[in-house]
Amino acid sequence: EIVLTQSPGTLSLSPGERATLSCWASQSISGSYLAWFQQKAGQAPRLLIYGASIRATGVPDRFSGSGSGTDFTLTISRLEPEDFAVYYCQHYGSSPGFTFGPGTKVDIK
Amino acid sequence: QAQLVQSGAEVKKPGASVQVSCKASGYTFTAYYVHWVRQAPGQGLEWMGWVNPRTGGTKVAQRFQGGVTMTWDTSITTAYMELRRLRSDDTAVYYCARAQGGRAFDVWGQGTMVTVSS
Repeated sequence: EIVLTQSPGTLSLSPGERATLSCWASQSISGSYLAWFQQKAGQAPRLLIYGASIRATGVPDRFSGSGSGTDFTLTISRLEPEDFAVYYCQHYGSSPGFTFGPGTKVDIK
Repeated sequence: QAQLVQSGAEVKKPGASVQVSCKASGYTFTAYYVHWVRQAPGQGLEWMGWVNPRTGGTKVAQRFQGGVTMTWDTSITTAYMELRRLRSDDTAVYYCARAQGGRAFDVWGQGTMVTVSS
């Protein structure tokens, strides 16, 4: 089973700043089957990025994903007030996969 | 538009069972897997398993095998997740989500809070 690690655990930034979130996999993820989700308090997760770098429908272009193999990054170019949330990476596409990383909380500095 | 609507919150005693339902609408139910994910209070997301309404296949994550059953009823486009022999550490929000084969979870239910307490 692939284990995902996310860093940092918490990222304290101000609106307008750039956020860089990292996700590492314990072994190479084939086909870039890596997704990023945003979760706000009391809400279900929302798909932001799939295939490591493809924005889901309706996701603003300030969100971008990159990486391959074992190293992946989610970048938010300029934080908006509604972007302060928890972000999870996930390996998907095959069992026993579908594992989630522990999450990165982006909070207001 | 595609939507998953889950059943309401439950409070159960240790040792009991609970069934959570997930009603799909706005898309072809048999064209997507239905996955189940749980989230304990203040914790991260944990994948539990999937059902494939088209093929009849199911897969339960190893740590839940023997205690979780996932079923569905195509006639009413609803998936179900039953968790047996509940313990206090099963207290969590349970989500259903859809995904096509090899694709990401693109639509999620609103979540169902299950509280296990004596």
